[in-house]
Amino acid sequence: GENVEQHPSTLSVQEGDSAVIKCTYSDSASNYFPWYKQELGKRPQLIIDIRSNVGEKKDQRIAVTLNKTAKHFSLHITETQPEDSAVYFCAASRGSNDYKLSFGAGTTVTVRA
Amino acid sequence: DTAVSQTPKYLVTQMGNDKSIKCEQNLGHDTMYWYKQDSKKFLKIMFSYNNKELIINETVPNRFSPKSPDKAHLNLHINSLELGDSAVYFCASSQVRGDEQFFGPGTRLTVL
Repeated sequence: GENVEQHPSTLSVQEGDSAVIKCTYSDSASNYFPWYKQELGKRPQLIIDIRSNVGEKKDQRIAVTLNKTAKHFSLHITETQPEDSAVYFCAASRGSNDYKLSFGAGTTVTVRA
Repeated sequence: DTAVSQTPKYLVTQMGNDKSIKCEQNLGHDTMYWYKQDSKKFLKIMFSYNNKELIINETVPNRFSPKSPDKAHLNLHINSLELGDSAVYFCASSQVRGDEQFFGPGTRLTVL
């Protein structure tokens, strides 16, 4: 089955700096790669996703890049703000050929004011 | 409100008891899931249902029994609760299997 590894497990950044979280996956058939944000005591919520037919996607201050050859994808947050503090999860699946998302272990991001 | 809802939000109980958590989605999705999130925050898939049928059982002890009376509901019954069952349990649903999942607010289970 799919194995998703996520690094780092914790990340502390100064407000205004950038944060980068990296994930690798094992199943070359995976084609859907979402990122979820979970604030303290809340539910995980999708913030951005990318499919294997594109290499990069951007939404305001967040962006995701995908390298299918190397089987890794990354989340980039620019101009970090205190409200970006949360746990971020990457995930991978085969899309409609799969009945689950395989999640990474999560990265706790702390933005220092 | 269109959403995934769970009840109860908190559940505190003694070891050995039996408890249930209910989940409902009004998004019209065909696929529903149960996840367990332990103190280390890892999201572990437990079950996946598609149109009321069990698709995935990720080696969960048979003390855990999911039930889907219709595709909008997926309940979780836990027998003989153990200390290690303490966690936050999330229900989720997706319109397309393997695609974006919408999570419920979670149920924090504490076994004493």
